Amino acid sequence: EDKVVQSPLSLVVHEGDTVTLNCSYEVTNFRSLLWYKQEKKAPTFLFMLTSSGIEKKSGRLSSILDKKELSSILNITATQTGDSAIYLCAVGPISNFGNEKLTFGTGTRLTIIP
Amino acid sequence: DAGVIQSPRHEVTEMGQEVTLRCKPISGHDYLFWYRQTMMRGLELLIYFNNNVPIDDSGMPEDRFSAKMPNASFSTLKIQPSEPRDSAVYFCASSLQDTKLFFGSGTQLSVL
Repeated sequence: EDKVVQSPLSLVVHEGDTVTLNCSYEVTNFRSLLWYKQEKKAPTFLFMLTSSGIEKKSGRLSSILDKKELSSILNITATQTGDSAIYLCAVGPISNFGNEKLTFGTGTRLTIIP
Repeated sequence: DAGVIQSPRHEVTEMGQEVTLRCKPISGHDYLFWYRQTMMRGLELLIYFNNNVPIDDSGMPEDRFSAKMPNASFSTLKIQPSEPRDSAVYFCASSLQDTKLFFGSGTQLSVL
């Protein structure tokens, strides 16, 4: 059974700090790793990573995949209170064709203190 | 586009009652997914549809759960009879061929 483990489970930092969230996986057939941000309601897509060592960046958020270590990190620099959320990691297929499905981790709850 | 629309936002019911959750996917998306989220187990896939046809329902916990998609713009998830352990947030999501999912705001279900 595919497994996705995120760490830490929760994290509390002060505004302006930099945080690193971790995601490790054990899957039989890795294709892609996705990061989602979940505030009060629906998870929203952040990044999809398929190639090792290539950083994806969006503003203060960046992520990189290490296929050798079966892991990914999500970095957030100069954190703001609006970054407070649960960050979800998922691994699975790139496309929905076939019988493979996304497997989600239980998430890291990030709290930013003003 | 309004995004994925779910209703109701909250549902409180008593054990044994029937519960129906509703979802309208993003127009043009041909995949629709039903997920359940709990603190203990995180997000779990229950069932998904492609072009209105159920493809994989192996995540549906029991026969008490059923899902339908009568057309491209509407899906339901039904629990009959409901039990307290069904209490969770139920998300609907839709996508095109890739796995970037667009989630609805969820239905918070409480079974007393």
